Parts: sequence; structure tokens; C-alpha cells
Amino acid sequence: GQSLEQPSEVTAVEGAIVQINCTYQTSGFYGLSWYQQHDGGAPTFLSYNALDGLEETGRFSSFLSRSDSYGYLLLQELQMKDSASYFCALPVAGRRALTFGSGTRLQVQP
Amino acid sequence: DVKVTQSSRYLVKRTGEKVFLECVQDMDHENMFWYRQDPGLGLRLIYFSYDVKMKEKGDIPEGYSVSREKKERFSLILESASTNQTSMYLCASASGGSNQPQHFGDGTRLSIL
Repeated sequence: GQSLEQPSEVTAVEGAIVQINCTYQTSGFYGLSWYQQHDGGAPTFLSYNALDGLEETGRFSSFLSRSDSYGYLLLQELQMKDSASYFCALPVAGRRALTFGSGTRLQVQP
Repeated sequence: DVKVTQSSRYLVKRTGEKVFLECVQDMDHENMFWYRQDPGLGLRLIYFSYDVKMKEKGDIPEGYSVSREKKERFSLILESASTNQTSMYLCASASGGSNQPQHFGDGTRLSIL
């Protein structure tokens, strides 16, 4: 099977940088995705990493190390609106579906 | 923009009732998914479909069934609702392979009394 582990909560201050880690176990690797979900809202796609290294999209970056079965989401210049839950997700081997981690709740404080 | 619409935002039903949750997408995506979301458990896959009339079980299919008669519509059915099915239900759609982003509806918060 597959499993993903993320911290349950992270707190940071406005303007700072925060890193949300994700470690995973899978028999076949097909990439790691990240989603953001505000309270009461729908999850929205943030990024996808298939290869090792850093992918940057504006203030958000996502990193992958396949040899360590590890990835992280980096949020820079934090804003209050970044307060949300963040999920890492793995494609299910042989399927067009995803297995999600349990999510990290980010609280940005003034 | 991709639009995934779930028929109800909030729904209250009674134990033993047959419950239908509807989901419609407007981007001609071949893949559609049903998840349930519970605190501390993240999103868990119930069923998904990669084509009309095709379906595959996810991680927690017990007590649920699905129907996909048209490409744009994917229905989740609770055959005989039970209190442990009280949850937030999220529908999603996606094109192509598993590297493609999934687009989610706003969710249906279902309470079974």
C-alpha cells in the first residue's frame, strides 16, 4: 500500500518562510502533488513534482527527493490568506487516483 | 475555468435512507472521483471512474456505490445510510493521467441522524 506522513499543525508569522514536510511510502513512484484547502473550501491544486529538485511557482515552491522518499512545500513571504490546510498526495499505482496525506494545518499569525 | 458542481452543500438524512449525492463537471474530463473527508484523516478515496459506465473501488467503498451514465455526471449512492457515514463528501474530476491536477467541488456536508 501507500502512506504519507505530514505534521498536523505548523504556525508561522506573516512575512516569514515556512516549510511543510511530507514523507511517503510507496511501491511505485509516479510523482508527488500538493493541494491547499481553506476552511470550508474545496482543495485546490498547487504543484506536482515528478523529478528530484525544486519547482517554483511564485511564492510557493515544492521540493522532491525520491531517494529519501521525501518532499516539502515551501511558502515564502507568508500572508494571512495562506492560513489553510495543505495536503501532499501520491498517485495510486496503476490507477488515475490519488492517496492523500492527513494534511498540515498552517496558521499564519500577524 | 473548470467547474465541478455538487448538488447540495448541506444534507440531513435519517439512518437507513438511500442517499444520492450528485456531481457534475463541465470540462469533458474522463476521470471523476468521490472522496470523504474527516478531521485528522485527510481525504479518503471511495470510488472513481475513468469512463462512462466504468468504476473502480477506492480505499473505503463499503456501504457506497456509484453511477456514471454520462461523462459529465458521477453519482455517489449510500445504499442504507448509517451514522458513521456522517462526513464531508468531495467530488473531483481530472483529465489524463494521475499527474494531472484534480479539480474539486465545494463539498457536501452530510449528516445522518
